[in-house]
Amino acid sequence: EVQLLESGGGLVQPGGSLRLSCAASGFTFSSNAMTWVRQAPGKGLEWVSSISSDDITYNADSVKGRFTISRDNSKNTLYLQMNSLRAEDTAVYYCGRGRLQVGFWGQGTLVTVSS
Amino acid sequence: QSALTQPASVSGSPGQSITISCTGTSSDVDGYNYVSWYQQHPGKAPKLVIYDVSSRPSGVSNRFSGSKSGNAASLTISGLQAEDEADYYCSSYTSTSTLVFGGGTKLTVL
Repeated sequence: EVQLLESGGGLVQPGGSLRLSCAASGFTFSSNAMTWVRQAPGKGLEWVSSISSDDITYNADSVKGRFTISRDNSKNTLYLQMNSLRAEDTAVYYCGRGRLQVGFWGQGTLVTVSS
Repeated sequence: QSALTQPASVSGSPGQSITISCTGTSSDVDGYNYVSWYQQHPGKAPKLVIYDVSSRPSGVSNRFSGSKSGNAASLTISGLQAEDEADYYCSSYTSTSTLVFGGGTKLTVL
């Protein structure tokens, strides 16, 4: 059974940093591209970042230079390092399998940026 | 990259069919056959219901179908059921190697 379990969310002050993790199981993690998508409270879905199976990364303009996506295939884990956080980064962050389309989603982790 | 355009809401009665539109550009919907649709119930994670414009993942009801013509894609749900009430989002791969989502459509089953 495919499972994606995000962790690392929480309350952080503006300008602060946070690292999200997504533990994957039930499929060959190293062979799959992975993606982060976020959803602000009461809003729609917004693509954030993707990483291919050979570590090529892609980022939305809204997070370029602040967020870094990475993966550790030995731990079957996807990461999102978030720096210089802003209030508008407040959202539920979902990890998903795939890059052209998101075939499976985790349950999400809430990030709140507030003083 | 601007969001794809979806109607804010649609509604239908049980047993009826509804169609949700998703309009993009030549740089996304019209340029690639990587249009997907996601169903999201309140407080839950999104779930893929259509990929590659018109393919259904295993386990998704055949009441869900997708199509595309030019820069416009559509999701049709036939034989509407109460459990179909949810938010629906379209998505497309783009010419800048990114993903773009629609603003979402709230489906109400009357």
